[in-house]
Amino acid sequence: DAKTTQPNSMESNEEEPVHLPCNHSTISGTDYIHWYRQLPSQGPEYVIHGLTSNVNNRMASLAIAEDRKSSTLILHRATLRDAAVYYCILRDFGNEKLTFGTGTRLTIIP
Amino acid sequence: DTGVSQNPRHKITKRGQNVTFRCDPISEHNRLYWYRQTLGQGPEFLTYFQNEAQLEKSRLLSDRFSAERPKGSFSTLEIQRTEQGDSAMYLCASSLLRVSTDTQYFGPGTRLTVL
Repeated sequence: DAKTTQPNSMESNEEEPVHLPCNHSTISGTDYIHWYRQLPSQGPEYVIHGLTSNVNNRMASLAIAEDRKSSTLILHRATLRDAAVYYCILRDFGNEKLTFGTGTRLTIIP
Repeated sequence: DTGVSQNPRHKITKRGQNVTFRCDPISEHNRLYWYRQTLGQGPEFLTYFQNEAQLEKSRLLSDRFSAERPKGSFSTLEIQRTEQGDSAMYLCASSLLRVSTDTQYFGPGTRLTVL
């Protein structure tokens, strides 16, 4: 599985945008970029995924670099409930499992 | 609540005992996954089912571990002769196979403590 690199931790102020980076320089052409998050004492939760184009949903936006070697998860207006560990995962089409790294622990400051 | 459910939520056992966990996936989801998560680490894949067929097993799944999904609905994960190293959160997820990549929906997990 292709590897991703994320910062161990980040802090952001409440009600401000948050940009969570992910590097994946060895990404292959068929790898989808997935983001999941894990709130304290809960199982992981799907956030968003994309292949080549930027994606938006009600939770977040995913900005994918033109060469696909990096991506950024954008939370437009962070709330205290967004405090979680965020995982950036590459998943090849046809590969059923998710390979989690250690993720980025996001702390929201009130 | 129509999400993935797992029982029990917590299990404390003595080394050498057998334990069994249950996962009830989202109704009509044909794929079911088991992961294990230790403190400070991301979840690690153990195995997955498509309907009742177990299609992939991680090398982490030693011969003391067995998973079943009879009739393609709920699943059980059994650990025989538990060891202290088995202490972890065991997570279940389910998904609906689509044409492209599928989203996995996770349950709250079962926390196992082996004394």
